[in-house]
Amino acid sequence: QKEVEQNSGPLSVPEGAIASLNCTYSDRGSQSFFWYRQYSGKSPELIMFIYSNGDKEDGRFTAQLNKASQYVSLLIRDSQPSDSATYLCAATTGGFKTIFGAGTRLFVKA
Amino acid sequence: GAGVSQSPSNKVTEKGKDVELRCDPISGHTALYWYRQSLGQGLEFLIYFQGNSAPDKSGLPSDRFSAERTGGSVSTLTIQRTQQEDSAVYLCASSLGGTSQETQYFGPGTRLLVL
Repeated sequence: QKEVEQNSGPLSVPEGAIASLNCTYSDRGSQSFFWYRQYSGKSPELIMFIYSNGDKEDGRFTAQLNKASQYVSLLIRDSQPSDSATYLCAATTGGFKTIFGAGTRLFVKA
Repeated sequence: GAGVSQSPSNKVTEKGKDVELRCDPISGHTALYWYRQSLGQGLEFLIYFQGNSAPDKSGLPSDRFSAERTGGSVSTLTIQRTQQEDSAVYLCASSLGGTSQETQYFGPGTRLLVL
């Protein structure tokens, strides 16, 4: 069974701090990795994607990929209360098939 | 432009009835995905289409579930003889369909409740 694992949380950080979200995947053939944000009662929306080893930065968000360790992370700098949501890690495996983790709930305290 | 739309937004049905869920992808998107999300859970992959073809149906939970796509656009997910465990939010997403590195755009979902 190809899986994507995340800590369910909740992860609680104070406003302005760095939030670190982690994800591991089991299928070494996974090619692309995504972080989606999902507010309660809403549909997921893409935050970032990454497919090369290393870091990728976009504004306050940095995605990190380590294929040797089968590990993906998302850092959120200067966390805001509006960042409070569930963050879903996803990996494509076997063409377009996309496997999602169960998500990590993030709570940013004002 | 219009995003992904799904209908109905909510569906309440009785155990044993059949239901049909509809997804309209973003115009021009050739890849279409169906997921299921139970309360407080992550997204469970069901099936994806590339055009009208479904290369991978391995996520369908049972033979009560089927999906089709016609004209490379609208897709329907049919659940026959619904069971209470089928209660969930069914999400549809679409992407351009060129590579697996593309963003998937999600619809608002259909909330299914089986009594």
